[in-house]
Amino acid sequence: SQTIHQWPATLVQPVGSPLSLECTVEGTSNPNLYWYRQAAGRGLQLLFYSVGIGQISSEVPQNLSASRPQDRQFILSSKKLLLSDSGFYLCAWDRSRTSGRAGRDEQFFGPGTRLTVL
Amino acid sequence: AQSVTQLDSHVSVSEGTPVLLRCNYSSSYSPSLFWYVQHPNKGLQLLLKYTSAATLVKGINGFEAEFKKSETSFHLTKPSAHMSDAAEYFCVATSGTYKYIFGTGTRLKVLA
Repeated sequence: SQTIHQWPATLVQPVGSPLSLECTVEGTSNPNLYWYRQAAGRGLQLLFYSVGIGQISSEVPQNLSASRPQDRQFILSSKKLLLSDSGFYLCAWDRSRTSGRAGRDEQFFGPGTRLTVL
Repeated sequence: AQSVTQLDSHVSVSEGTPVLLRCNYSSSYSPSLFWYVQHPNKGLQLLLKYTSAATLVKGINGFEAEFKKSETSFHLTKPSAHMSDAAEYFCVATSGTYKYIFGTGTRLKVLA
């Protein structure tokens, strides 16, 4: 069976500090990978998605970046955090690319990282 | 433009009474539709999905949803609410690309 991991689970960082959040998927290969942010009381905002190693698409211009160094690893980074970066960060994957059903299958979400920037 | 509208931001029901969470979608193609549940500080868990097969879809924990193309709706129902159903629920549609269209969520409160 497939599982998705995120760490850390919670993080408190000062403004201006760097950030690295990691997401890994087990039990599948060639997944599409996604980073979302969920601000308090709001829905999900897509930040980045990746269809393969080194292939990153950015949805929202901001001080965050993403990388995919391995097939099942997705990293969200920042060089200098802002107060507005606080939120709940969710990683997700789907198998549309290998299933041939591009954009039709469900996404599977990780447990999330709660980031508080002070 | 494609969109998902969850008509109620908050719904309160008494334990043991039916649950109805409403979702309408707008799409220029035939989307797949999903309902997810999110408990506090947790990820999203898939409740059920519609992918152009049967229009009445049964999911986990006694939930079901009916796809009505004529009404562009995909409402989530459960005959009898349980305290553990208290959570936030998201209606989601595919867009034909790698992007998914999320509703803004409905927070379900279950009263004892």
